[in-house]
Amino acid sequence: NAGVTQTPKFQVLKTGQSMTLQCAQDMNHEYMSWYRQDPGMGLRLIHYSVGAGITDQGEVPNGYNVSRSTTEDFPLRLLSAAPSQTSVYFCASSYSRQPTYEQYFGPGTRLTVT
Amino acid sequence: AQSVTQLGSHVSVSEGALVLLRCNYSSSVPPYLFWYVQYPNQGLQLLLKYTSAATLVKGINGFEAEFKKSETSFHLTKPSAHMSDAAEYFCAVRVANNNDMRFGAGTRLTVKP
Repeated sequence: NAGVTQTPKFQVLKTGQSMTLQCAQDMNHEYMSWYRQDPGMGLRLIHYSVGAGITDQGEVPNGYNVSRSTTEDFPLRLLSAAPSQTSVYFCASSYSRQPTYEQYFGPGTRLTVT
Repeated sequence: AQSVTQLGSHVSVSEGALVLLRCNYSSSVPPYLFWYVQYPNQGLQLLLKYTSAATLVKGINGFEAEFKKSETSFHLTKPSAHMSDAAEYFCAVRVANNNDMRFGAGTRLTVKP
């Protein structure tokens, strides 16, 4: 299994540009999520999905959109990039929404907005 | 809402010394607690998790953590540090009926030769 994969690994955007961060998992996991990691703040949940066609907001959803058309894929869209969105983005998946199940993380996408 | 606090953003130990990374949680319902490790430029990898089966949990690479309800703590320990343990460590909490996993700010562990 490839696990959780993310593309691209690095991206530089200008303010106002839009882009999509890709995330895919091959473990048939029901639950998928997006986090951003900023120095001294740990990881903060942006959006999550408990199955195909079902998404919901996390702690910091503003400026981001998600959709889940298949079990495998969970892309994150930045609608109009802002410098405050400079961060490292991690996608994660879990077998179930049940809290006993750990999440598996992708390698991350480092995004810089100038 | 549930939360975790990691005491100490940086911890430095000598090789062979005890590693102690502190995590305290806040939750009004029984929590499920996790420790993850992040090596430079990589994603997070699960070290261990507490799911109420046993209060002392053993994980990978010789790490263990003890759930102490009276102290609302879940500290991570390793008897003897190795150079390869240098990384950032995150404590996280999840509760039933809530899809949110909340992470602490992280503790960067440095191991001196």
